[in-house]
Amino acid sequence: SAVISQKPSRDICQRGTSLTIQCQVDSQVTMMFWYRQQPGQSLTLIATANQGSEATYESGFVIDKFPISRPNLTFSTLTVSNMSPEDSSIYLCSLSRDGANYGYTFGSGTRLTVV
Amino acid sequence: RKEVEQDPGPFNVPEGATVAFNCTYSNSASQSFFWYRQDCRKEPKLLMSVYSSGNEDGRFTAQLNRASQYISLLIRDSKLSDSATYLCVERGGSYIPTFGRGTSLIVHP
Repeated sequence: SAVISQKPSRDICQRGTSLTIQCQVDSQVTMMFWYRQQPGQSLTLIATANQGSEATYESGFVIDKFPISRPNLTFSTLTVSNMSPEDSSIYLCSLSRDGANYGYTFGSGTRLTVV
Repeated sequence: RKEVEQDPGPFNVPEGATVAFNCTYSNSASQSFFWYRQDCRKEPKLLMSVYSSGNEDGRFTAQLNRASQYISLLIRDSKLSDSATYLCVERGGSYIPTFGRGTSLIVHP
């Protein structure tokens, strides 16, 4: 299965600043996703990162707040912009290979604390 | 709205017990199903896929009931190391997954 390298693993940031999270995959994959997970909660899909085009955002998430890049099939970034304490969460990237029976592989997550 | 529902638990069982979780889904067009395990402060990891014919992997058995739109996970001979949150996942034709909120399992000595 593909290996995802996600960084940073954690950060503490001042409100009003921005943080960019990177995910590097060791092979080409068609679909990459970005999730947020609040403590004790399940995963909330932020957006699907599309290679060479704008990301597809879920309801409640907008490009100005969470700009996403996907310059190729092995790399994606998520930026959390103009952060507030409410953005404190775990952010995870995920990938899916083609084929109905392939599951999803996750990066190790970025624990963000906004102070 | 596509929903995946799970009992959040926690299920608190002694070592050696058999425990079962169910997960219901609303999207009748769902094509694939999975069970994930998530340990505290870790990312989710694929436990097993769920096939129409059911599948078994050691102490773990997964079943799919399309007529009633639920999937199940059975854990036999529970170990302390099985303590985790178990996430149910369904995927439709778009390959975008829907995750349940997870079921917490605590196995005690």
